[in-house]
Amino acid sequence: KQEVTQIPAALSVPEGENLVLNCSFTDSAIYNLQWFRQDPGKGLTSLLLIQSSQREQTSGRLNASLDKSSGRSTLYIAASQPGDSATYLCAAHNYGQNFVFGPGTRLSVLP
Amino acid sequence: GAGVSQSPRYKVAKRGQDVALRCDPISGHVSLFWYQQALGQGPEFLTYFQNEAQLDKSGLPSDRFFAERPEGSVSTLKIQRTQQEDSAVYLCATSVTRNEKLFFGSGTQLSVL
Repeated sequence: KQEVTQIPAALSVPEGENLVLNCSFTDSAIYNLQWFRQDPGKGLTSLLLIQSSQREQTSGRLNASLDKSSGRSTLYIAASQPGDSATYLCAAHNYGQNFVFGPGTRLSVLP
Repeated sequence: GAGVSQSPRYKVAKRGQDVALRCDPISGHVSLFWYQQALGQGPEFLTYFQNEAQLDKSGLPSDRFFAERPEGSVSTLKIQRTQQEDSAVYLCATSVTRNEKLFFGSGTQLSVL
């Protein structure tokens, strides 16, 4: 059974810093992994989806990497801004099964 | 539609009442998922539809939970005889196929008093 964890649970950084959010999964036979952002009281917004055949995926200031062999994905946020403050969740997906979510990392970017 | 639409946005129910939560998927999305999210936690899978067929309901916590998607488009999650532990945000997500990118609605926040 796939299990997903995220470290740290919460993170507070000053504006302008680069930061890394971590996601670990137990079953390395994943098909893809998706990173989401969730603002308070809102649904999830997809940020990046990285396929098992890919090592990295980039969108603007965001870069997601995937290392299947070690069961890890990282989300790198460059030059953080207060508007980046939100909870970031990763979800691992094995083919034909359901996305399994981590508990999220709550990010605060201080002006 | 342009995105996944869920209604109502908020629902307050007295313990023992039945509730129905609605999800309007993105047009053409075959796969539809329901998730339950407790405060401070990630979404937990409830059930999955491929068109009108409910292929996986392994995450439904009890037989008080029932979901349907009769015409392969709009889906309804029904909770009978609500209990306080049912209080959570219920999220609907859809995708073109089961293995592709998920798109979420804004959720329904259910409070059972």
